[in-house]
Amino acid sequence: DAKTTQPNSMESNEEEPVHLPCNHSTISGTDYIHWYRQLPSQGPEYVIHGLTSNVNNRMASLAIAEDRKSSTLILHRATLRDAAVYYCILRPLMNRDDKIIFGKGTRLHILP
Amino acid sequence: GAGVSQSPSNKVTEKGKDVELRCDPISGHTALYWYRQSLGQGLEFLIYFQGNSAPDKSGLPSDRFSAERTGGSVSTLTIQRTQQEDSAVYLCASSLTGGVNSPLHFGNGTRLTVT
Repeated sequence: DAKTTQPNSMESNEEEPVHLPCNHSTISGTDYIHWYRQLPSQGPEYVIHGLTSNVNNRMASLAIAEDRKSSTLILHRATLRDAAVYYCILRPLMNRDDKIIFGKGTRLHILP
Repeated sequence: GAGVSQSPSNKVTEKGKDVELRCDPISGHTALYWYRQSLGQGLEFLIYFQGNSAPDKSGLPSDRFSAERTGGSVSTLTIQRTQQEDSAVYLCASSLTGGVNSPLHFGNGTRLTVT
């Protein structure tokens, strides 16, 4: 399975932008990059995904490097509610068993 | 609309007992996933159901674990002869198609404690 590498933890100040990095140097051409986050005492929730182009939605932006070996999840203005564990995962376009592997993610702390 | 529902939310059981954990996916979702999350750890894949296809059981940690999905909807994860190392949060997720552009929707999990 393709793997991702994320920092264990990060801190950011409230109301400032946050850039969460993810390395996926062994990504294949048909792997999609997905981000989920897990708030305390909840199941993970979908944030955003993309293949090659940068993506924006109401929650965040996803910036994908030109060689696709890394990506960055951008929270434009962090709030206390954004404190969570953020997971970067790869999902192959064609994968019969769809064994989606989550790593340990990045624990994001927001400072008031 | 209604999300993924899991029951019970908490379960305390004695070592050696059997437990059943239930997952009600979002209506119409064809794909269903079970994960396990131990304290402070990431998610461990357990099993995946897609439509009427045979499930991928490769993630089940031992033969004490089994799961079924009846009528392509509700799923039950059964753990026989529970051990203390089975203590964890068991998470269920469903997806509309299971395809790469179909996000997973997770329930809030069942916290299992084996004493």
